[in-house]
Amino acid sequence: SQKIEQNSEALNIQEGKTATLTCNYTNYSPAYLQWYRQDPGRGPVFLLLIRENEKEKRKERLKVTFDTTLKQSLFHITASQPADSATYLCARNNNDMRFGAGTRLTVKP
Amino acid sequence: DGGITQSPKYLFRKEGQNVTLSCEQNLNHDAMYWYRQDPGQGLRLIYYSQIVNDFQKGDIAEGYSVSREKKESFPLTVTSAQKNPTAFYLCASSGRRAINEKLFFGSGTQLSVL
Repeated sequence: SQKIEQNSEALNIQEGKTATLTCNYTNYSPAYLQWYRQDPGRGPVFLLLIRENEKEKRKERLKVTFDTTLKQSLFHITASQPADSATYLCARNNNDMRFGAGTRLTVKP
Repeated sequence: DGGITQSPKYLFRKEGQNVTLSCEQNLNHDAMYWYRQDPGQGLRLIYYSQIVNDFQKGDIAEGYSVSREKKESFPLTVTSAQKNPTAFYLCASSGRRAINEKLFFGSGTQLSVL
């Protein structure tokens, strides 16, 4: 079956460091991958979308990469801040959007 | 303001009771989705609809039902057949060619069993 997986359940880092989150997919090749942020008790909010023919996408302190050989997307937050603490979800869409389980990021001051 | 509205924010269900969660959007989106989220877990797809009067089952449709009579509305009924309904329910919408379009989410409904 087609799967999208986020390997790390939780990630703790120090303020100012770069956070790197991983999203792996198996048994299919998505044309796009999306990343969302979710705060406790709230709905996810869209952050970035990357196409399979794009190696990298940036938005302010955020960077997403897409490696079709490794079947993996990496999500980076540079110069992390405590306000970046949240759960980050990757998702793929074949007209039925499926999400990974998410990685809970905690940035400590 | 354009957006997607879920109500109520909190809902309690008695044993054997059906309850309906409301989802309304004024974004003129064709596609709408329902997800269930359990504590510390990701989003699991219950049902989705790409167009009015049509919908498809997701991964965990058993014990749930939906309707899509209007473009703006996609209500979810949690039936008595759903034995473990306690969860956070999220509704979302996107443009019809959702393969490259982002989802907009509502603020969610927390359903608990009395």
